[in-house]
Amino acid sequence: AQSVAQPEDQVNVAEGNPLTVKCTYSVSGNPYLFWYVQYPNRGLQFLLKYITGDNLVKGSYGFEAEFNKSQTSFHLKKPSALVSDSALYFCAVRPAFSGGYNKLIFGAGTRLAVHP
Amino acid sequence: GAVVSQHPSWVICKSGTSVKIECRSLDFQATTMFWYRQFPKQSLMLMATSNEGSKATYEQGVEKDKFLINHASLTLSTLTVTSAHPEDSSFYICSARDIDSPYNSPLHFGNGTRLTVT
Repeated sequence: AQSVAQPEDQVNVAEGNPLTVKCTYSVSGNPYLFWYVQYPNRGLQFLLKYITGDNLVKGSYGFEAEFNKSQTSFHLKKPSALVSDSALYFCAVRPAFSGGYNKLIFGAGTRLAVHP
Repeated sequence: GAVVSQHPSWVICKSGTSVKIECRSLDFQATTMFWYRQFPKQSLMLMATSNEGSKATYEQGVEKDKFLINHASLTLSTLTVTSAHPEDSSFYICSARDIDSPYNSPLHFGNGTRLTVT
């Protein structure tokens, strides 16, 4: 079955420290991978995506993610966390074959808490 | 950037009534929109794929007669929760894909609708 796993319910980090939010996936074929962020009572905002090419992808607000095919991972990273980064983060994958509708499979989400 | 407007942002209704939620793409056209449901502290669950001019495709376990979807134009999809019950209380989010964007483009999400059924 195709799935996305975010093993951590919550990640705590001090402001100014680097952060990592983990994501692993299980899909057939080459996946398209995405990270989204959700603030309270809001929809999802796109952060970055991996389609092909360089394994290190840079996105919005200083975030980046590294695609690792052998480990089937797509961890989200930021060199220096801000308190305003505190939010709920979702990893998502679109399988190479999803009926042409661009359906996304979401992970369970990881709550990031950045402390001053 | 592409904007998806979802209305209302929150609604409270009585058990047994119906509620309509609108999802509009403001500056792009979308032949396909997606409706998600999110329970507290949980991920998004895809309910259905809304296709302009044709019937929606529902995910397994989602009652099509209870969650009516209409996608009458390239910029508007509606989700109607019929005969709502307290267990339908949830956060509903729509998303859309720009018809002119590449197939691997990210989806654009609305800000969600918080439905509370009393």
